[in-house]
Amino acid sequence: EPEVTQTPSHQVTQMGQEVILRCVPISNHLYFYWYRQILGQKVEFLVSFYNNEISEKSEIFDDQFSVERPDGSNFTLKIRSTKLEDSAMYFCASSLGQGLGYTFGSGTRLTVV
Amino acid sequence: DQQVKQNSPSLSVQEGRISILNCDYTNSMFDYFLWYKKYPAEGPTFLISISSIKDKNEDGRFTVFLNKSAKHLSLHIVPSQPGDSAVYFCAASARGSGGSNYKLTFGKGTLLTVNP
Repeated sequence: EPEVTQTPSHQVTQMGQEVILRCVPISNHLYFYWYRQILGQKVEFLVSFYNNEISEKSEIFDDQFSVERPDGSNFTLKIRSTKLEDSAMYFCASSLGQGLGYTFGSGTRLTVV
Repeated sequence: DQQVKQNSPSLSVQEGRISILNCDYTNSMFDYFLWYKKYPAEGPTFLISISSIKDKNEDGRFTVFLNKSAKHLSLHIVPSQPGDSAVYFCAASARGSGGSNYKLTFGKGTLLTVNP
């Protein structure tokens, strides 16, 4: 069964450093997403990406965040200057359309120290 | 602003019995609903979904019921098995502008424990 692959599984970084979280969505999917889950809280939408541009972003997704699909297979989330409160599980997801094959990766646990 | 609410943080049932997980929503623009199962340190795994044009969808042991007038949906698992023990998330989406976005809004989840 096709999978969404995320790397690394765990990233520890110092406050103020830049991190890049990587995702390989399912190859024929058209819509790409990043979500995050702070420990003990619900899964929250960050950003959606379609047709090589951001289609929607949440309030969380401020100027410190950016996304790229550099080569047609990878989908990255960059946090320019990490803060302690960025510590969370970050999930990448992809879909063919509304509810169609909406699949999540296993997540990257980001710890900012 | 909790647009999707799962009011029961936990549920415990005996193996072989029915598990009923509930979810309420407030946004009338939601037109597609999904249930995900999640284990610790893993991503949400899709279980079953339902479009707003239906009121029931069944897949094996899993059935989702949608009551649009009450803005309520439920997931029934029967018979429940110990391997079903996990956190269950209800999620909803609304057709985005121009069909360019299908973000999901999640509930807080319900921890289901199925006892042998």
